[in-house]
Amino acid sequence: DSGVTQTPKHLITATGQRVTLRCSPRSGDLSVYWYQQSLDQGLQFLIQYYNGEERAKGNILERFSAQQFPDLHSELNLSSLELGDSALYFCASSLNPGGLSGANVLTFGAGSRLTVL
Amino acid sequence: TQLLEQSPQFLSIQEGENLTVYCNSSSVFSSLQWYRQEPGEGPVLLVTVVTGGEVKKLKRLTFQFGDARKDSSLHITAAQPGDTGLYLCAGGGTSYGKLTFGQGTILTVHP
Repeated sequence: DSGVTQTPKHLITATGQRVTLRCSPRSGDLSVYWYQQSLDQGLQFLIQYYNGEERAKGNILERFSAQQFPDLHSELNLSSLELGDSALYFCASSLNPGGLSGANVLTFGAGSRLTVL
Repeated sequence: TQLLEQSPQFLSIQEGENLTVYCNSSSVFSSLQWYRQEPGEGPVLLVTVVTGGEVKKLKRLTFQFGDARKDSSLHITAAQPGDTGLYLCAGGGTSYGKLTFGQGTILTVHP
């Protein structure tokens, strides 16, 4: 158990629907990251939050949104789902926001597998 | 955009063999990390290297960061079936905490 909790573990839904993925970071970690992993794209960075504020944005579609709440848990909302959104979505957390001070160590959750039919 | 290219994509070897996985980029990274991922789980950190030319050893695994901090390698000596998994390299940027991942190397070690 990495200490990062993601729910649900599996989710099957239809095209056009909306889903919410939830992540609780490791105790004490302030930063949360969302990654998408698919067979053809590998692990792609979506977005990062630090202490409730958006810190960095990656290849996140406009149909996707995220937020980090005061208790530091985060949610990733995926709407108007398409077949191509089927993937593993990982949440990771770290103590620091990252930057020039040194290597940032991320702890990953077990992921949420989304299947869009 | 920073990109990391990993090679080979697939590696199938017999127990006891040695192997090397490469991670290359045209960009400079502030750090380079190697992760191992098993089916149904998230990536788990193996090592972090931050200094150009740095070499770290973890039992039978040897990690090296290139002098220019653009490339890295993972060498496994006397591979065992338990080493089977997806190996990912990830580069850390200088501005944010996000990591840029390589496509991964799927290693299968046959008994």
